[in-house]
Amino acid sequence: DADVTQTPRNRITKTGKRIMLECSQTKGHDRMYWYRQDPGLGLRLIYYSFDVKDINKGEISDGYSVSRQAQAKFSLSLESAIPNQTALYFCATSDKDTYGYTFGSGTRLTVV
Amino acid sequence: DAKTTQPPSMDCAEGRAANLPCNHSTISGNEYVYWYRQIHSQGPQYIIHGLKNNETNEMASLIITEDRKSSTLILPHATLRDTAVYYCIVRPRMDSSYKLIFGSGTRLLVRP
Repeated sequence: DADVTQTPRNRITKTGKRIMLECSQTKGHDRMYWYRQDPGLGLRLIYYSFDVKDINKGEISDGYSVSRQAQAKFSLSLESAIPNQTALYFCATSDKDTYGYTFGSGTRLTVV
Repeated sequence: DAKTTQPPSMDCAEGRAANLPCNHSTISGNEYVYWYRQIHSQGPQYIIHGLKNNETNEMASLIITEDRKSSTLILPHATLRDTAVYYCIVRPRMDSSYKLIFGSGTRLLVRP
């Protein structure tokens, strides 16, 4: 099993719908992150969490919310999806002393 | 904003060394240089990191100039599977609140 698992892998949804992307990890890391990637561009940070009780906004948090249900689970929600939220979404984890992040395989979201 | 500058694209022949440059002229004393790569919309993968000494692991070598204002990632014998976008990132490793900030990276094409 992958260290960081994202579900679903692909999703098509309609404008205005609420959608949740889920992330779970088996690394035992405290820190989890949600990134968004648009075609041809680098990754941009949406939200991050340093532990279950600590949630922080990233560069582009508008239109998104998150929930840290447990150390191993970090969900991203789009409250009312819009077409410009069509993107590839990545979840990542890191240990506070790590030299590297571990990324999931991504969720490709299309809002029509 | 990303604190690094990389060429947008490069290519090399299979079996040859791939040398990917990165400029980080404003790097400060406590910042490390990290390299990640992203293979065709997969999650980014950690490659290597360093502070001021050259580093080598099973994937690559990292050469950092003496003034630390630039570095080069070396893939000694590039294969077709090394075709990817390579990201150079500077981060203060001891800053426990730091979040990865990705630039646009270098798209490396390994030719048969």
